[in-house]
Amino acid sequence: DAGITQSPRHKVTETGTPVTLRCHQTENHRYMYWYRQDPGHGLRLIHYSYGVKDTDKGEVSDGYSVSRSKTEDFLLTLESATSSQTSVYFCAISESERGEQYFGPGTRLTVT
Amino acid sequence: GIQVEQSPPDLILQEGANSTLRCNFSDSVNNLQWFHQNPWGQLINLFYIPSGTKQNGRLSATTVATERYSLLYISSSQTTDSGVYFCAPRGTVANSKLTFGKGITLSVRP
Repeated sequence: DAGITQSPRHKVTETGTPVTLRCHQTENHRYMYWYRQDPGHGLRLIHYSYGVKDTDKGEVSDGYSVSRSKTEDFLLTLESATSSQTSVYFCAISESERGEQYFGPGTRLTVT
Repeated sequence: GIQVEQSPPDLILQEGANSTLRCNFSDSVNNLQWFHQNPWGQLINLFYIPSGTKQNGRLSATTVATERYSLLYISSSQTTDSGVYFCAPRGTVANSKLTFGKGITLSVRP
């Protein structure tokens, strides 16, 4: 299994509070991704990174920001959480842009 | 972006039965992955198959890129095969990323 961990695994927070989710990899892969999974939508890309300090938006990026200061860590921040951001968040990694993606265990976030 | 349609949306099998899961996509692709999401939510890589046929034990997959579809075959199904199956193609247009279908929910009954 690819060495990908996510923290926290579960979080409950209140509307309006900031939240940061962390993805950590031990594979030294260049590409990292954040997805959200909601019923009826499959997985949708939020943001991705193609190197240290190199990031770009995905399909559903509004309300989210990311940072990557080291190869192994990719952070997803919700500056002011809303109930619509209640979801399961998955991190993924790949060696190259077209390479096979591997997923972390997911973080279940509930915004009350 | 690329459109992805998976069918059927739900499937119920008796243990030991065979099944075929289908993924149609709207554009040319240079990458396609199949995943199994188990009942605990973990996403497991099944195949990386932009074209051709691959086999792994009881599972096999075929992608016919020219006709814009991919098939996942499950033979002699087991209860542990239950879960949701996703296909995710990546289009050839510059800056394309994996696009997930809505998934096929499989229930295998003992």
